[in-house]
Amino acid sequence: AQTVTQSQPEMSVQEAETVTLSCTYDTSESNYYLFWYKQPPSRQMILVIRQEAYKQQNATENRFSVNFQKAAKSFSLKISDSQLGDTAMYFCAFMKQLGGAGSYQLTFGKGTKLSVIP
Amino acid sequence: NAGVTQTPKFRILKIGQSMTLQCTQDMNHNYMYWYRQDPGMGLKLIYYSVGAGITDKGEVPNGYNVSRSTTEDFPLRLELAAPSQTSVYFCASSYLDTEAFFGQGTRLTVV
Repeated sequence: AQTVTQSQPEMSVQEAETVTLSCTYDTSESNYYLFWYKQPPSRQMILVIRQEAYKQQNATENRFSVNFQKAAKSFSLKISDSQLGDTAMYFCAFMKQLGGAGSYQLTFGKGTKLSVIP
Repeated sequence: NAGVTQTPKFRILKIGQSMTLQCTQDMNHNYMYWYRQDPGMGLKLIYYSVGAGITDKGEVPNGYNVSRSTTEDFPLRLELAAPSQTSVYFCASSYLDTEAFFGQGTRLTVV
């Protein structure tokens, strides 16, 4: 079974500064996908960034970037120029194909609560 | 676009009662999922479906049932509600291995 570990239950960062959220995972799969989801107080799950395991290049999405270390099974999220609207729970998630049916399962970490301080 | 719509947003059930959480998506996605989120935890998969007429168990299926008669709808049924089912429930859909789109969740309390 896959496990996703987020070792930082809570973090805080000053507005305009940079923060890095950690995520490690355990799998025997070679093909998979990794995601960071953001959950603001509204409860909505919002995709922040996605990384395919076969791609060596780290994904970037505006102020959000990842450091994907496949051998170390590490997938950290860097948020640059932090904004008040970045305050939320952040979940790291691992996706793999399920059985032979062609469906995909997302396994989530427990989340990191990020607070951006004015 | 509506995306994934869940109803109701909130519900209080008494122990032993039954209810159905509704989920519908308008993106023509094949894959649909039900997750539960307990306080301080990530999301755990209850059931999933790869298309109309096909469903399968996820990590925590006990106490729940699902059906998928159409591509759009994927209701989750609780037959005999128990306090352990107090949680926030999320429905999601995806197309193959692309991102999953989530509904806004249903907060269920069983008393």
